[in-house]
Amino acid sequence: DAGVIQSPRHEVTEMGQEVTLRCKPISGHDYLFWYRQTMMRGLELLIYFNNNVPIDDSGMPEDRFSAKMPNASFSTLKIQPSEPRDSAVYFCASSLSGRGPQETQYFGPGTRLLVL
Amino acid sequence: AQTVTQSQPEMSVQEAETVTLSCTYDTSESDYYLFWYKQPPSRQMILVIRQEAYKQQNATENRFSVNFQKAAKSFSLKISDSQLGDAAMYFCAYRRRANNLFFGTGTRLTVIP
Repeated sequence: DAGVIQSPRHEVTEMGQEVTLRCKPISGHDYLFWYRQTMMRGLELLIYFNNNVPIDDSGMPEDRFSAKMPNASFSTLKIQPSEPRDSAVYFCASSLSGRGPQETQYFGPGTRLLVL
Repeated sequence: AQTVTQSQPEMSVQEAETVTLSCTYDTSESDYYLFWYKQPPSRQMILVIRQEAYKQQNATENRFSVNFQKAAKSFSLKISDSQLGDAAMYFCAYRRRANNLFFGTGTRLTVIP
């Protein structure tokens, strides 16, 4: 399997611009997670989906952030307008439902976002 | 609320020696999972080892093993025969069933040749 795929790997943009991050989960996985990693806050959940439905979006910082999962193989995280404090590494992860090994989350390579 | 604490911001180990990274967590749940992830400079999050709370036996993966003390809510990672490639940030993480991961703040491991 190809693993979790994220694009772009790096993004540099100017404050006020729209940024869209993309994720393709592992085929067959029904959970998808978006995490953000910063020096100040560490790794934190933004939102997660189960069967394409958002389950918990309490980590989404504010209305500038939105996430969608139109189908089982694709999700987007959008920031509009972007601000310098959004600079971070954004990870997408996926897992199966069930017990035991299915509970393991597998991470994509991350998108390193820099907002100038 | 679930919290994960890694009290060692940095650790170092001599190549070929053994090192133990500490992790404690707080939860009122009985069914949960614990993980150690490795993050090298590439930033990729790599699963090292997984422990199911309902299993009493400590998980082992080659040179990596855990000491899971459920009553004490402790989950330490032991790396035996340390190699240069083990140098990385190590994150302890907790997951309640069918839920997201909660991460500790990480331990940066340096391997000295």
